Amino acid sequence: EAQVTQNPRYLITVTGKKLTVTCSQNMNHEYMSWYRQDPGLGLRQIYYSMNVEVTDKGDVPEGYKVSRKEKRNFPLILESPSPNQTSLYFCASSFRMNHNEQFFGPGTRLTVL
Amino acid sequence: GNSVTQMEGPVTLSEEAFLTINCTYTATGYPSLFWYVQYPGEGLQLLLKATKADDKGSNKGFEATYRKETTSFHLEKGSVQVSDSAVYFCALSSANTGNQFYFGTGTSLTVIP
Repeated sequence: EAQVTQNPRYLITVTGKKLTVTCSQNMNHEYMSWYRQDPGLGLRQIYYSMNVEVTDKGDVPEGYKVSRKEKRNFPLILESPSPNQTSLYFCASSFRMNHNEQFFGPGTRLTVL
Repeated sequence: GNSVTQMEGPVTLSEEAFLTINCTYTATGYPSLFWYVQYPGEGLQLLLKATKADDKGSNKGFEATYRKETTSFHLEKGSVQVSDSAVYFCALSSANTGNQFYFGTGTSLTVIP
């Protein structure tokens, strides 16, 4: 089954404790992206990647890191989480940017205390 | 800059009512336009898209027409069902946006029997 998977689905952590949210897709997509969803703000793009070893900042990259060592994986890293990073996070992928449909993962709900 | 503006919700309609959700955009160049739907507890799914002016995207009874003259991409459905209850997001992408995706804030729709 073609899908985007994220882990964990739910996470409660404390300020300053490094964490990684994994994202994996099995559709051989070049493009992958991370978003955060907050009430009243919709989805905002954090980082995206056009292909292996190519990553770029989105609208809200501060406090986040990503890497793209393999085509299928695109982990999101929070080196020192803070309470303002409490949010719902989505990973997405597509064959290429622009005209193509993005496939979204099920989401990761993160709470930083 | 690039942005998407959606009508604010929540929207509550009776079954079989007519639905319109307004979406206007600001973008350089010629963006592709999308409507995504998010059902409770799930990630976003592509509902429909249009890649050039005057194109009409359609799916599951929903339609939207890419109007360049009014920079709009309003979502319509002639007769909504309870199963259409969800959050709807308008989005754009363009090579001129640096391969970024821009989403509106989302409009929550509840359809009552």
